[in-house]
Amino acid sequence: KQEVTQIPAALSVPEGENLVLNCSFTDSAIYNLQWFRQDPGKGLTSLLLIQSSQREQTSGRLNASLDKSSGRSTLYIAASQPGDSATYLCAVLWVNTGKLIFGQGTTLQVKP
Amino acid sequence: GAGVSQSPRYKVAKRGQDVALRCDPISGHVSLFWYQQALGQGPEFLTYFQNEAQLDKSGLPSDRFFAERPEGSVSTLKIQRTQQEDSAVYLCASSLPGADTQYFGPGTRLTVL
Repeated sequence: KQEVTQIPAALSVPEGENLVLNCSFTDSAIYNLQWFRQDPGKGLTSLLLIQSSQREQTSGRLNASLDKSSGRSTLYIAASQPGDSATYLCAVLWVNTGKLIFGQGTTLQVKP
Repeated sequence: GAGVSQSPRYKVAKRGQDVALRCDPISGHVSLFWYQQALGQGPEFLTYFQNEAQLDKSGLPSDRFFAERPEGSVSTLKIQRTQQEDSAVYLCASSLPGADTQYFGPGTRLTVL
């Protein structure tokens, strides 16, 4: 069964800290992996998309890595800010399904 | 341009009532997806349309759930005889054909009392 797991479920850090969110997935035959941000009561905003042939993507203070062989991805947030507080979701698109499978999310709180 | 819109944003229903949730995708987006997100969980796939054709409905939890997209644009997700376990946020997403990125709407929060 194709599954996506995110650990931890919640994380609280002081402002300015660098942090890493983890995502693991079964079955390495993925098409791509995507990280989303979700604010309370809002929809999902795509942050970074990594194709199966890529190892990382960067956008500003965010860097996402992909290791297909081990079934892992990490989202690195540098110099965290209170505005980064949100739920971060990892989603995988597998080659043979055509639909996104999401992890449970990590809820991040950055304290000023 | 306008993004994906959903209505209503909030819906409260009594157990046993029928509800209809609407999704307006981005103009020109051929693909449309519905997801169900329970509290504290990630979204779970319900169904997928390409134009008016429903190509995958494997995620619909029961035959009380029905989705349609008759003209290949606006889609409606209907839930008959709602039950408390149907309480969730229902998200709609659209994308261009063959595109990697899905664009999500704000969701409809359904509460069944």
